Amino acid sequence: QVQLVESGGGVVQPGGSLRLSCAASGFTFSSYGMHWVRQAPGKGLEWVAFIRYDGSNKYYADSVKGRFTISRDNSKNTLYLQMNSLRAEDTAVYYCAKPPGVGATPADWFDPWGQGTLVTVSS
Amino acid sequence: AIRMTQSPSSLSASTGDRVTITCRASQGISSYLAWYQQKPGKAPKLLIYAASTLQSGVPSRFSGSGSGTDFTLTISCLQSEDFATYYCQQYYSYPSTFGPGTKVDIK
Repeated sequence: QVQLVESGGGVVQPGGSLRLSCAASGFTFSSYGMHWVRQAPGKGLEWVAFIRYDGSNKYYADSVKGRFTISRDNSKNTLYLQMNSLRAEDTAVYYCAKPPGVGATPADWFDPWGQGTLVTVSS
Repeated sequence: AIRMTQSPSSLSASTGDRVTITCRASQGISSYLAWYQQKPGKAPKLLIYAASTLQSGVPSRFSGSGSGTDFTLTISCLQSEDFATYYCQQYYSYPSTFGPGTKVDIK
C-alpha cells in the first residue's frame, strides 16, 4: 500500500534552516506530483508547496515563497522541503501528501498523507 | 485565494445522531471540494472528493452534497469513532485552501 514517511523535523532558531524529507513507497513515485501541507499547533491546515512529477515546475504558498524550496529525487523515491529564514510562524507539523492521479496540478485533493514531522522555530 | 468557511466551528452530539456540517466558498468552485477527518495526533484522512464521491473504504454513513459555493457533509448515524475534526478543502484553483475545521465531540 502507499506509504509516506516524513523526517527531519526538530527545533531550530529563528532565521535558521532545516530540510525535511518524505520517503515514498507503494506507488510509482516518479509519475506523481507531490505536495507539502502544514498545520500549526491547534490550528487548521495550510497548503505549502507542490512539485510536478519530474521536478520541472514548482508552486508555493505566498507565506513561504522565497524562503522554502521543494525538490525531489526520483531515484530515491524521496521528496524534500528545504526551509530557510525560518520564523516562529513556521512552527507546525509538516505533512507530505499524494494527489489522486498522475496528472496532478498545484490544486488537488490529497490521499494519503504521511504521519507528519514537527518543526518548532524558537529561540 | 479562495476563502473557505465552515459552520459550526464545533458541535456536541451523541452516538446515533445525524450530524450536518456546512462549508462555504468565497466564490464558485463547481464541485472541486474534498472533506477530511482528523483525529488528535493523526494525519487527515480523505472522506469525500468531488463534493459527493465517497473515498474507497469510507463508511456509507458519510455523504457529501453541494456545488458552486455551498456544501454539506452529513454523518447519518454518528458512531464513537466519528468524534474528530472535519475540514473542507477547495481544489478549484491554486492555491488550494482549507476551511477552519469543525470539531465534533461527545455530548
